[in-house]
Amino acid sequence: DQQVKQNSPSLSVQEGRISILNCDYTNSMFDYFLWYKKYPAEGPTFLISISSIKDKNEDGRFTVFLNKSAKHLSLHIVPSQPGDSAVYFCAARLNDMRFGAGTRLTVKP
Amino acid sequence: EAGVVQSPRYKIIEKKQPVAFWCNPISGHNTLYWYRQNLGQGPELLIRYENEEAVDDSQLPKDRFSAERLKGVDSTLKIQPAELGDSAVYLCASSGQSNSPLHFGNGTRLTVT
Repeated sequence: DQQVKQNSPSLSVQEGRISILNCDYTNSMFDYFLWYKKYPAEGPTFLISISSIKDKNEDGRFTVFLNKSAKHLSLHIVPSQPGDSAVYFCAARLNDMRFGAGTRLTVKP
Repeated sequence: EAGVVQSPRYKIIEKKQPVAFWCNPISGHNTLYWYRQNLGQGPELLIRYENEEAVDDSQLPKDRFSAERLKGVDSTLKIQPAELGDSAVYLCASSGQSNSPLHFGNGTRLTVT
C-alpha cells in the first residue's frame, strides 16, 4: 500500500540550475508534508515542510509546492549545488509518517 | 542539542540468531519511532511510542520482533530469531510536539547471513 510515491528514482542537474523533485500521494487526509535529505551511511535529515492548508513554503534555496487537487508535492532547489547531491525522501503524515521510495539527486559541477 | 543516538552502527549475524538495537532519543522528545528501510525504499514504520506506551505497533511482526521503551526514554528493538529477509537498516527517530518533524538517528545496518 504505497500512499506516497516518488516515481523518479534519480535526477541529474547541472550546478546552478534548478532541481525539481516530485512526489504524489493518494490519501487526501494527509495534513502535513515533509522533505528529508539523506547522505550515505546517515539517517534522513529534515529539510522543509508544508501544512495542507498552504500551497507554498520557502526556506532559502528550497521551496516546497503543494497541489492538493492533484495530490502532488514538489521540491524546488535553486540554485542547485554539488553539496545537494543526496537521496531526497518525500513524507506525508496522517497519524504516522509515510515515506516515498526516494529520488537520488546528483548535482554536477 | 545532541541528536538521536543508535547503536550498533552495523551488525552481521547468522539466521536464527537473536539481535538487539538500542536508541537514545533527543532529550525531551516524548515520541519515539522505529523504522525499517530496505534497499531502494523509503523508511517503513514498525512501532511508535508516546512516552512508555506503544500507540501504533500494527506493522511490527510480533512473532519475532519485540520492542520496549522503559521509563519513556531509551528504547530497544529485538529480533528473535532473525531471518534472511530482516536484512535492512533499522532507523530510530524521535519528535517533540505532534507537528514537529522527526529527527532520525544514523541507523543500524543489519545483515543476516
